[in-house]
Amino acid sequence: DVKVTQSSRYLVKRTGEKVFLECVQDMDHENMFWYRQDPGLGLRLIYFSYDVKMKEKGDIPEGYSVSREKKERFSLILESASTNQTSMYLCASSLGGEAQYFGPGTRLLVL
Amino acid sequence: GQSLEQPSEVTAVEGAIVQINCTYQTSGFYGLSWYQQHDGGAPTFLSYNALDGLEETGRFSSFLSRSDSYGYLLLQELQMKDSASYFCAVSGGGGYNKLIFGAGTRLAVHP
Repeated sequence: DVKVTQSSRYLVKRTGEKVFLECVQDMDHENMFWYRQDPGLGLRLIYFSYDVKMKEKGDIPEGYSVSREKKERFSLILESASTNQTSMYLCASSLGGEAQYFGPGTRLLVL
Repeated sequence: GQSLEQPSEVTAVEGAIVQINCTYQTSGFYGLSWYQQHDGGAPTFLSYNALDGLEETGRFSSFLSRSDSYGYLLLQELQMKDSASYFCAVSGGGGYNKLIFGAGTRLAVHP
């Protein structure tokens, strides 16, 4: 079974803090994704990576950056957290476009 | 723009059949997939259709009509545990590996 893990289930941060969210997958997938999920808006893609050190902006990249130094690990960075970044953050991985496998999510609260 | 439309809520009773529709408008299309998400959980992959027709997996079936830009998820013999949100997603609007998600349909199954 594919396993995608995320570093934290819940995080509380203060406005202006730098926040790191980590995601690890164990299936040797090329593609990894970061989404945020807000009520009524579905899943919105922040960034994705199709290979080590490769990244591409998604639909809502502003205020975020990412890092992929190893194939199994994809990090999402909030350079200076703001209250409008309070959300559920979901990481996913895939081989292709047929199925993505999601981690359990990180619920981030920015105060 | 690119968009997917699905009903926001559906209600049904145990043992019944329910159909969740999804229409899409995207710049490209490789396939339509469906995901299930229980409250507090991560989305899990259910099915993928690249070609027209019906794909059956146990109690769940998924249909695609590429000419109509339309698909649906059919859930039979509903059980209480099927109460969840269901998302359709299109591969192709931004490349094969990226998915564009609908806003989700919340299914409530009642006794």
